[in-house]
Amino acid sequence: NAGVTQTPKFRVLKTGQSMTLLCAQDMNHEYMYWYRQDPGMGLRLIHYSVGEGTTAKGEVPDGYNVSRLKKQNFLLGLESAAPSQTSVYFCASRFRGRPDQPQHFGDGTRLSIL
Amino acid sequence: KNEVEQSPQNLTAQEGEFITINCSYSVGISALHWLQQHPGGGIVSLFMLSSGKKKHGRLIATINIQEKHSSLHITASHPRDSAVYICAVRPFLIMYSGGGADGLTFGKGTHLIIQP
Repeated sequence: NAGVTQTPKFRVLKTGQSMTLLCAQDMNHEYMYWYRQDPGMGLRLIHYSVGEGTTAKGEVPDGYNVSRLKKQNFLLGLESAAPSQTSVYFCASRFRGRPDQPQHFGDGTRLSIL
Repeated sequence: KNEVEQSPQNLTAQEGEFITINCSYSVGISALHWLQQHPGGGIVSLFMLSSGKKKHGRLIATINIQEKHSSLHITASHPRDSAVYICAVRPFLIMYSGGGADGLTFGKGTHLIIQP
């Protein structure tokens, strides 16, 4: 079982470029999340999805867009990358069931914006 | 605003020592999670607590709901326990959350190094 897979693992972008981060899970989870992790700060939620075709904003959504066209995939897009978006990005997923089901995390994508 | 504070921020100990990491939060919660982030970056869920105590191998997690405090203990620590340990809470009221269907608010993590 692969669990939660994030691609790419590393990327360097120039300011203004666009890119898409892919998250794929093979556990048939309904809920999926995108977080960013910055030095000296806790994980912060960017966007999330409670099911195929639905997305919602989290705590820090500005500058990002997401799509959930298939249940197993959750895409995070940067339309015009900015240095402030340099971060490590984590995807997570969980079953819908009880709200305190554990989240399963990917290994992260380290993104640098020059 | 819900604050999640962890202490210490950094901890270096010798192999075999008993380790305690603390987590305090400011609002009523329905659950608290302990997570482990390995040096390679991956994050795994260790425990979910809503009351009392849980044990898994050498790891023990306790929570005191009245005092809004949780501890993660590691017995007979080993260099492979070196990691960042993260506390996250789910408030009762979504207005205190970090957003999202879970409403989890994360602490900044405790960086643990166990020296052989």
